[in-house]
Amino acid sequence: QQPVQSPQAVILREGEDAVINCSSSKALYSVHWYRQKHGEAPVFLMILLKGGEQKGHEKISASFNEKKQQSSLYLTASQLSYSGTYFCGTEMHGKAAGNKLTFGGGTRVLVKP
Amino acid sequence: DAGVIQSPRHEVTEMGQEVTLRCKPISGHNSLFWYRQTMMRGLELLIYFNNNVPIDDSGMPEDRFSAKMPNASFSTLKIQPSEPRDSAVYFCASSLARRTSFGPGTRLTVT
Repeated sequence: QQPVQSPQAVILREGEDAVINCSSSKALYSVHWYRQKHGEAPVFLMILLKGGEQKGHEKISASFNEKKQQSSLYLTASQLSYSGTYFCGTEMHGKAAGNKLTFGGGTRVLVKP
Repeated sequence: DAGVIQSPRHEVTEMGQEVTLRCKPISGHNSLFWYRQTMMRGLELLIYFNNNVPIDDSGMPEDRFSAKMPNASFSTLKIQPSEPRDSAVYFCASSLARRTSFGPGTRLTVT
């Protein structure tokens, strides 16, 4: 099942904060976050494996609430380079091999000067 | 590290023609994925391999699509015959220990 991301798009001024949410209807083993710039491949940001875990990349951090089956990505003091489309990829429990990721529809982020 | 390598980067073909997309995963990665990205459907997983063995091909849209991984360093995705609705960006990705890296993608246009 495809996870649901919200909002679909957000416009920020440089220095402002934003939160992107990713929700699943199924129990999750892990949540992966990627950023994709126009015309480029998605780039790995971070993976969250445990409930309540938080990770960080630059001034971008994320949390994973296993019970609520959701993850949030926090863009703090946004920079122009943060512009792009953010995708969450979810991995379910009990898969036999590999890490099959199902991606959400993406959140477009535009950071303006 | 060279990253995931895909070829060709762009492919324009006519409806009915066979198309073969190629991928070289990162050395040492044991899982390989083929994704398709369109505006309408987003990023869809088509098929994935673990240790060269196809694990899940439930995302392959039709029998016109086939994928192979003859060895750990090479995979192909073939579409025969191609149709205009196959137009998309096709990404190959490889992973080790749950960290997945995407290739630059092949932009396929079927006219």
